Amino acid sequence: DQQVKQNSPSLSVQEGRISILNCDYTNSMFDYFLWYKKYPAEGPTFLISISSIKDKNEDGRFTVFLNKSAKHLSLHIVPSQPGDSAVYFCAASPDTGFQKLVFGTGTRLLVSP
Amino acid sequence: ETGVTQSPTHLIKTRGQQVTLRCSSQSGHNTVSWYQQALGQGPQFIFQYYREEENGRGNFPPRFSGLQFPNYSSELNVNALELDDSALYLCASSPRTGGYYEQYFGPGTRLTVT
Repeated sequence: DQQVKQNSPSLSVQEGRISILNCDYTNSMFDYFLWYKKYPAEGPTFLISISSIKDKNEDGRFTVFLNKSAKHLSLHIVPSQPGDSAVYFCAASPDTGFQKLVFGTGTRLLVSP
Repeated sequence: ETGVTQSPTHLIKTRGQQVTLRCSSQSGHNTVSWYQQALGQGPQFIFQYYREEENGRGNFPPRFSGLQFPNYSSELNVNALELDDSALYLCASSPRTGGYYEQYFGPGTRLTVT
């Protein structure tokens, strides 16, 4: 039962262009969403988050959009840089009283110069 | 500020054996969670510890157990290892339990069961 889905295993973008990573979820009890970035041989690094009461959150080059009716969120990176090349995980947190993150399977982003 | 650290980095065990993985949480963080990441998958929540008690558990059997110590460091113990236990085990800490606080991950321990 994959409650958080990232249907694109990989994405290639040219430096300076926009990268759009997508994530769909099925559990309407999720009320907090996060994006993590992971380099090889490192743990996931927190990138940006959004509460379910918002539809957009922006932090520098990174913007996360949430469409609750479609159960869809996306991460926009503008402009993309070669250092952004990594695996990006979408994660969701249900309101359980403790912090349990449910992760997608990840999207590998490659930004070429 | 020291981040989350884990030991060992890599480990090879035989089916049926027991293993203990260790985690030191980030300074000031009192909540520790453990995740299992199989190859090609996202991390899966195993359990969380707060104030030395397990306060949340994912869909993992009882042979996965843990401890949290007064200094907030933690151990993950797995008994009767199976081949499917081969994975990257990630520890994450956060400043408190409940609410929505970002979790900060360590680099992981790569466990191989043969």
